[in-house]
Amino acid sequence: SQQGEEDPQALSIQEGENATMNCSYKTSINNLQWYRQNSGRGLVHLILIRSNEREKHSGRLRVTLDTSKKSSSLLITASRAADTASYFCATDRGGGADGLTFGKGTHLIIQP
Amino acid sequence: DAGVIQSPRHEVTEMGQEVTLRCKPISGHDYLFWYRQTMMRGLELLIYFNNNVPIDDSGMPEDRFSAKMPNASFSTLKIQPSEPRDSAVYFCASSLGANTQYFGPGTRLTVL
Repeated sequence: SQQGEEDPQALSIQEGENATMNCSYKTSINNLQWYRQNSGRGLVHLILIRSNEREKHSGRLRVTLDTSKKSSSLLITASRAADTASYFCATDRGGGADGLTFGKGTHLIIQP
Repeated sequence: DAGVIQSPRHEVTEMGQEVTLRCKPISGHDYLFWYRQTMMRGLELLIYFNNNVPIDDSGMPEDRFSAKMPNASFSTLKIQPSEPRDSAVYFCASSLGANTQYFGPGTRLTVL
């Protein structure tokens, strides 16, 4: 079953604007990760936030986690054309199982 | 350092044929994961190995799919016989511990 669900499914903004993507999940997690996938390529890890963390920054990325609402957000500030990609949240599968469960992703388009 | 290497990058075959996908994980990583990505179902975990041992193959769709990891630097995913509904992009990913995963470029499989 789908653990992470991203919202929106697609987002188009102008270069320089901020982009916010959301992820909701169903069961308890140990950590949540965000990945980026450029067209025709593999996924690239962006950031990991643990269940006891509320916010984390990495460069132009800001991730928040609200375990009470079972949701996370990814903010990309000052977007660039190169940020055009699909963004996926991934959660651990819980119950001691390894591996990740991915959402279907948000397709982000940055208009130059 | 070389990332995860997958071959072939593209495979076109006819229904009923055997297909073998190959993966070389990052040296030193102890986990290897096989995923399948389709528009309809998103990214699905098929099977993963820890220290060359298959741990969870519950995501393998049916007996036509099999995976092996004969040593720490090589894994195969085999489909026999292949069917058109197996058409997808197959990703291999490796990790040190079961957190951040590093993905290969994927194999785009088309079964006619």
